[in-house]
Amino acid sequence: ELKVEQNPLFLSMQEGKNYTIYCNYSTTSDRLYWYRQDPGKSLESLFVLLSNGAVKQEGRLMASLDTKARLSTLHITAAVHDLSATYFCAVSTGNQFYFGTGTSLTVIP
Amino acid sequence: GAGVSQSPRYKVAKRGQDVALRCDPISGHVSLFWYQQALGQGPEFLTYFQNEAQLDKSGLPSDRFFAERPEGSVSTLKIQRTQQEDSAVYLCASSLGGQGRLLRNIQYFGAGTRLSVL
Repeated sequence: ELKVEQNPLFLSMQEGKNYTIYCNYSTTSDRLYWYRQDPGKSLESLFVLLSNGAVKQEGRLMASLDTKARLSTLHITAAVHDLSATYFCAVSTGNQFYFGTGTSLTVIP
Repeated sequence: GAGVSQSPRYKVAKRGQDVALRCDPISGHVSLFWYQQALGQGPEFLTYFQNEAQLDKSGLPSDRFFAERPEGSVSTLKIQRTQQEDSAVYLCASSLGGQGRLLRNIQYFGAGTRLSVL
């Protein structure tokens, strides 16, 4: 079974600071996804990464993928309070998706 | 509809009771997934449909769990003789499905049904 690990599990950071969330997975997968979940809400798709070296950016978030290291990163630049949420990475093989345990991010004013 | 709709949003059941959770996927989405999300954890795959065919049910934790999608649109997840360990948020997701373009595989999630078994 494919294992997906995220770290850190909890992250408290000040506004304006930068930080990186890491996602490691155990075996080859087709695609890697990043999702955001606000409390009591559904998961919102942020990024889909397919190939080695892929980098995608949206606002203050940037995701990258290293398929050889089986590692994806989600980099947060100059954090703002609105980014407070839980972030999940997920990898897919065929039709199955495997999610990490999530990183709960709190941005402190 | 505009998004994936799940009902009820909250369900409280007595241990041993049967429950049925409904999912209305985005119109035209071929693929439909059910996940179980325990408190503080990521979603765990339960089952997958392509149209009305249940192609993968390997994640269903026991034979008390049953899912169907008889007409290839709305899906129901049924849990028989609920146990306390069944307490979780049950998420439904849908996608365009099929091979080829990357964006067809993005899953769109509903807000989930929070099941509490007393």
